[in-house]
Amino acid sequence: EAGVVQSPRYKIIEKKQPVAFWCNPISGHNTLYWYLQNLGQGPELLIRYENEEAVDDSQLPKDRFSAERLKGVDSTLKIQPAELGDSAVYLCASSFAGAGTEAFFGQGTRLTVV
Amino acid sequence: AQKVTQAQTEISVVEKEDVTLDCVYETRDTTYYLFWYKQPPSGELVFLIRRNSFDEQNEISGRYSWNFQKSTSSFNFTITASQVVDSAVYFCALGRQNFVFGPGTRLSVLP
Repeated sequence: EAGVVQSPRYKIIEKKQPVAFWCNPISGHNTLYWYLQNLGQGPELLIRYENEEAVDDSQLPKDRFSAERLKGVDSTLKIQPAELGDSAVYLCASSFAGAGTEAFFGQGTRLTVV
Repeated sequence: AQKVTQAQTEISVVEKEDVTLDCVYETRDTTYYLFWYKQPPSGELVFLIRRNSFDEQNEISGRYSWNFQKSTSSFNFTITASQVVDSAVYFCALGRQNFVFGPGTRLSVLP
């Protein structure tokens, strides 16, 4: 069974440029998460989807970040414009719906903003 | 607010030693879930275990064991007879639908 797939694995961009990350969750998983992981820290939730609906985006910096999950499967996270402080690993995870269900993570996209 | 503390930033042990990773959590919820994840150098977080707040039974899976104590709000993880392949960053997490992660403990197992 395929796991959570993210692309690209690595991205280097100049500040003020836009960037997008793509995530394909595990088949059948209704819930999809985007997490941000800074170096030496634990992941922090950016947004959670239940099917197509963003049910928790309270931690998403909406002035520059946006996300979508059309058709309730794949998801895209976008940053426009990127800032130096956005350099981090962006992790996508998915799970079956329901409280306490474990999430399975992709390998992440490492973003470097120069 | 929910919070997870992993006081040990880094631990180094020699292969075959036992090692315990500490996790202390804070929550006002009466129903909650605790998790441990492993993050090897490849970067992908690997799910290890889930525990709900109503189940305080300790669990053993091979060389891994977990000790959940509500009285001290702790969910500690022990690796018995550690191996070099256990070297990774280990995260404790808390939540019901959104997960709050601790800062992680970097474990280095030396040959």
